[in-house]
Amino acid sequence: EAQVTQNPRYLITVTGKKLTVTCSQNMNHEYMSWYRQDPGLGLRQIYYSMNVEVTDKGDVPEGYKVSRKEKRNFPLILESPSPNQTSLYFCASSLSLGQGMNTEAFFGQGTRLTVV
Amino acid sequence: GENVEQHPSTLSVQEGDSAVIKCTYSDSASNYFPWYKQELGKGPQLIIDIRSNVGEKKDQRIAVTLNKTAKHFSLHITETQPEDSAVYFCAAHDYGQNFVFGPGTRLSVLP
Repeated sequence: EAQVTQNPRYLITVTGKKLTVTCSQNMNHEYMSWYRQDPGLGLRQIYYSMNVEVTDKGDVPEGYKVSRKEKRNFPLILESPSPNQTSLYFCASSLSLGQGMNTEAFFGQGTRLTVV
Repeated sequence: GENVEQHPSTLSVQEGDSAVIKCTYSDSASNYFPWYKQELGKGPQLIIDIRSNVGEKKDQRIAVTLNKTAKHFSLHITETQPEDSAVYFCAAHDYGQNFVFGPGTRLSVLP
C-alpha cells in the first residue's frame, strides 16, 4: 500500500530536549516536505526536499533541521524544542515529473507535538 | 513567492445544498491546483486537482474551475452530505516546484 509513515503520532517533551520525527514513503517520490498546522494558520511549510541531498527552507524553518540521505526518508529534527513549536506536524511526498510539474502530494497521518 | 488566499474560513450548509470555496493565487507561473480534504485526526487527502491548461474538471459531486486570467480557482460540491464535513485546503504548485497551501475552510453540513 502506497503511504507516508510518520513516527511518533504523539509526543510530549520538555524544552531543550532534542527530538527527531521520522518520515518515510514507499512510493519512490523525489519531493518530500514538512508542514506544521496551527489553528487559523493552515499548513505552513517548514522545509522541503527536491531529491536526495537537496533540501531548502520553507516559510517557517527557524528551530528545525532536516536531512535527506536516502530517497525514502526525510526526518525532521528539533535540536532545542521550545513551547512555540507545539503544533501538529505533517510530512508529505510527491512524484516530480520535472519541468516544474508535480503530481498530488500524499500526506502522513500527522505528529502532534507538545513542548512543555 | 506564491501566496494563496482562501475564502470563506468557515461554511455551513444544509444537507443537499451546494458549497463553494474560492481561492486566489499570486504567481501567474503556477500550473497545478489541487484541493485537499482533511478529516478529523487525519492528514489531508487529495479530492480533485486541475492543471493550468484546463478550465474545469468534474468528478461526481465535486468540480473545480480555474480562471487563469483572474488567478482564481474554486471548489464546488453539490448535493452535500454529512460526510462532506471537513476542512478543505486549496493549493498552488509553482514553477519553483513547491506547494503553497491556502489557510483552509471548515465546512459543516447540517442534517
